[in-house]
Amino acid sequence: GAVVSQHPSWVICKSGTSVKIECRSLDFQATTMFWYRQFPKQSLMLMATSNEGSKATYEQGVEKDKFLINHASLTLSTLTVTSAHPEDSSFYICSARDGQIYGYTFGSGTRLTVV
Amino acid sequence: AQSVTQLGSHVSVSEGALVLLRCNYSSSVPPYLFWYVQYPNQGLQLLLKYTSAATLVKGINGFEAEFKKSETSFHLTKPSAHMSDAAEYFCAVSDQGYSSASKIIFGSGTRLSIRP
Repeated sequence: GAVVSQHPSWVICKSGTSVKIECRSLDFQATTMFWYRQFPKQSLMLMATSNEGSKATYEQGVEKDKFLINHASLTLSTLTVTSAHPEDSSFYICSARDGQIYGYTFGSGTRLTVV
Repeated sequence: AQSVTQLGSHVSVSEGALVLLRCNYSSSVPPYLFWYVQYPNQGLQLLLKYTSAATLVKGINGFEAEFKKSETSFHLTKPSAHMSDAAEYFCAVSDQGYSSASKIIFGSGTRLSIRP
C-alpha cells in the first residue's frame, strides 16, 4: 500500500528561526501534495497544494512568504516555516495524491513548538 | 465549492453499543467521500471511501458507511463499539475525485468516547 513519510515527527525551535518539514511518498509517485495545519481539538485546515515542478497554490489567508513549499520531485515536498513565532506552533500534516490507485495518503504529522 | 458538516463534536457510547457518526455533504458534482480516524498526535488513517461505486461502503475495523444522495449524507456506523475505537473521526469530501484539480476538505471532526 501507499506510505507517506513525514519528518520530523516533532520539533522545538526558537522564535525567529526557520524550520523545514519533509514529506516523502515512499512507494508511489505523488503528482500533488497537500499541506494541512491542525490546531488542538480542531479540524485540518488546508494550507496549500503543491504540484511537482510548479509553484504551490495557497489557500486564502495563508502567508506564502512565511510558509514556503517546495515540490522538487515526484516523491518529496517540503514545508519551511520561516521566522517562526509562537503562534505558528501547531500540528502540520502532509498528504500525497497519486491519482486513481491510492488516492490520498497522509503522513503521520509534525508537532511544531516555537518557544 | 464542496463542504462537509459533522453533527456532534462529541459522541459517547457504551462498549458494545452501536456507533453512529453523522456527516452531511455539499457538492455541486458527484462527490468522493471519505472517513478518516485520528489518534492523538498521529496522522490520519483512512477508514473507508465512497467513489461512486456501491453506496454501502465497508471499511476497516468493522466500520461502514452508506452514501445517500437524497439526504446528502454519508454517516459512519459500527454495530458494536470497542474501547480501541475511541479517537477523533473526520468526514471529508472531494468534488473532483482524484483529478489534478481535486483536493480534500474536512469536516470539523467528531470525538468518539467509549464508556466501559
